[in-house]
Amino acid sequence: DTGVSQDPRHKITKRGQNVTFRCDPISEHNRLYWYRQTLGQGPEFLTYFQNEAQLEKSRLLSDRFSAERPKGSFSTLEIQRTEQGDSAMYLCASSSHNSPLHFGNGTRLTVT
Amino acid sequence: GENVEQHPSTLSVQEGDSAVIKCTYSDSASNYFPWYKQELGKGPQLIIDIRSNVGEKKDQRIAVTLNKTAKHFSLHITETQPEDSAVYFCAASDPPGGSNYKLTFGKGTLLTVNP
Repeated sequence: DTGVSQDPRHKITKRGQNVTFRCDPISEHNRLYWYRQTLGQGPEFLTYFQNEAQLEKSRLLSDRFSAERPKGSFSTLEIQRTEQGDSAMYLCASSSHNSPLHFGNGTRLTVT
Repeated sequence: GENVEQHPSTLSVQEGDSAVIKCTYSDSASNYFPWYKQELGKGPQLIIDIRSNVGEKKDQRIAVTLNKTAKHFSLHITETQPEDSAVYFCAASDPPGGSNYKLTFGKGTLLTVNP
């Protein structure tokens, strides 16, 4: 499978714990995006990278959230001190010059 | 920033009928409009997209129309089949590769095709 891969698919954590998600984009794609999707809503933009540079962050990305793409390949999204309001599907997508966004199947986070 | 409104939120049709989903956008600078289909437990999958230099695009049973003056675009699915049942999202942005390529999505339409 050469699509966007996300790990884990599901994560259940207790309030206050830290969690980290991983995204492996399509190999030739230089742009990588993180979106958040809550029930009954469309995906909401969080942040994106071009190669290893983080070019934009949404105001939705509080200081408890941090994303990295250290070598311009895979990316991680970390949430510190999780809150119940962080429960959502976290989607990763990638694209390259002139190609549309390709999404992974997401990581569903449940904070209890 | 961009704001995308999508209607209806739910749509139920009989197999073989047509389905139409409509979206409006606020930023006149947007010129790329994709539609995604999301099945339960999966990420959104691109089904068709249109750029502002054309008014209509077709791909088999799916078509998209764009009225840039009115800032609205629509998805048309003909001869619907049960496997078309899913949530459909419209989005608006700069085109892929552009400096502001960052999709803003509508809230989605749950389409149910009844056999």
